[in-house]
Amino acid sequence: DAGVTQSPTHLIKTRGQQVTLRCSPISGHKSVSWYQQVLGQGPQFIFQYYEKEERGRGNFPDRFSARQFPNYSSELNVNALLLGDSALYLCASSLEAATSGANVLTFGAGSRLTVL
Amino acid sequence: AQKVTQAQTEISVVEKEDVTLDCVYETRDTTYYLFWYKQPPSGELVFLIRRNSFDEQNEISGRYSWNFQKSTSSFNFTITASQVVDSAVYFCALGGYQKVTFGTGTKLQVIP
Repeated sequence: DAGVTQSPTHLIKTRGQQVTLRCSPISGHKSVSWYQQVLGQGPQFIFQYYEKEERGRGNFPDRFSARQFPNYSSELNVNALLLGDSALYLCASSLEAATSGANVLTFGAGSRLTVL
Repeated sequence: AQKVTQAQTEISVVEKEDVTLDCVYETRDTTYYLFWYKQPPSGELVFLIRRNSFDEQNEISGRYSWNFQKSTSSFNFTITASQVVDSAVYFCALGGYQKVTFGTGTKLQVIP
């Protein structure tokens, strides 16, 4: 069975541009979460979606948005990129229901974004 | 606010030594969850264990064991007879309402 897949794996953008990252959860998983991992730090929670509804949001500016599609895949959008947005963006899916803090997460390999 | 502290930034051990990774957490929630994840050099975080706040029983899984002490807000992780394949960054995480908070990680290097 395929794990959590993310695309693209690497990308380079310039300041002010916009980026869209994509995630396909494990088959049967209805919950998708997004995390930002800056080099040398732990992952930081950005969003959680369950059954296409936002169930949790971390402390990130409105430049960050996400959505979940009927097939449970998800996109993370970041507008007006800043240098500080350079990071590994991780998607995680979960079989469990909505309470995001309890979920066992299965992570993808991430999308590494570099902002120049 | 939730907080997870992993004071050990990097640890090096010789193969077959035992090693303990420390984790201290802060939360005001009465119900919460504690996790350990492993991030090997390939980058993909791998789930190791989850405990809820009402279950303080220690757990052993092969060479891995976990010591949850609510009185000291700690959830430490011990690897017995370490192996080179254990080399990775290990993250402790705290799950509360709607979010999971990760620590900054401990990089473990097991030297052959």
